[in-house]
Amino acid sequence: QPVLTQPPSASASLGASVTLTCTLSSGYGDYKVDWYQQSPGKGPRFLMRVGTGGIVESKGDGIPDRFSVFGSGLNRYLTIKNIQEEDESDYHCGADHGSGSTFVYVFGTGTKVTVL
Amino acid sequence: EVQLVESGGGLVQPGGSLRLSCSASGFTFSSYWMHWVRQPPGKGLVWVSRIDTGGSSASYADSVKGRFTISRDNAKNTLYLQMNSLRAEDTAVYYCARPLVSRSSIWFDPWGQGTLVTVSS
Repeated sequence: QPVLTQPPSASASLGASVTLTCTLSSGYGDYKVDWYQQSPGKGPRFLMRVGTGGIVESKGDGIPDRFSVFGSGLNRYLTIKNIQEEDESDYHCGADHGSGSTFVYVFGTGTKVTVL
Repeated sequence: EVQLVESGGGLVQPGGSLRLSCSASGFTFSSYWMHWVRQPPGKGLVWVSRIDTGGSSASYADSVKGRFTISRDNAKNTLYLQMNSLRAEDTAVYYCARPLVSRSSIWFDPWGQGTLVTVSS
């Protein structure tokens, strides 16, 4: 099954941009990755799915245009432009793998984003 | 509005049992597989279990296999997680999540607000 690697933290000044990275383990370069936002004390919220060609399907409901994704090789990126205070959250990436009794959904360890 | 609301969490001693519930509204519950995901304090998300629409097929993470049982009552629009032989490492916030599907691949949308399970003596 794939392993998803995320840096533990990132920061950006109010109004600036930040790009988060989710790296798939070797051999899983064709996998799509899902991005979730988790505000403090709340359940995760689906943002969007990304493959090597960029966004796959639609964004989650109400996700602002300042959130975008792209993919390259084993990396799947989430960019937040014009970052706002309410964007200060944990961001998780995830991907499904297998089927039937071998199904698993794996997550990265999450990146905590701080707005300076 | 599509909504998932978990309940049933609490403090339980090691070796004890607990049953979590997830009440669904705003969508046709019986048409969707459902999942449980947990998050230990200060850590990342971990997939726990899933169940098919009719409740006849389930799968589990290795860490809970043989101890946890997922089930559902479509007449009550409710998902359950029966947790037995609980261990300290099961301490976590437990979320239920609805999967959306495209080309046999899933993502989770929405999630509930979570219920905290603490296993401690």
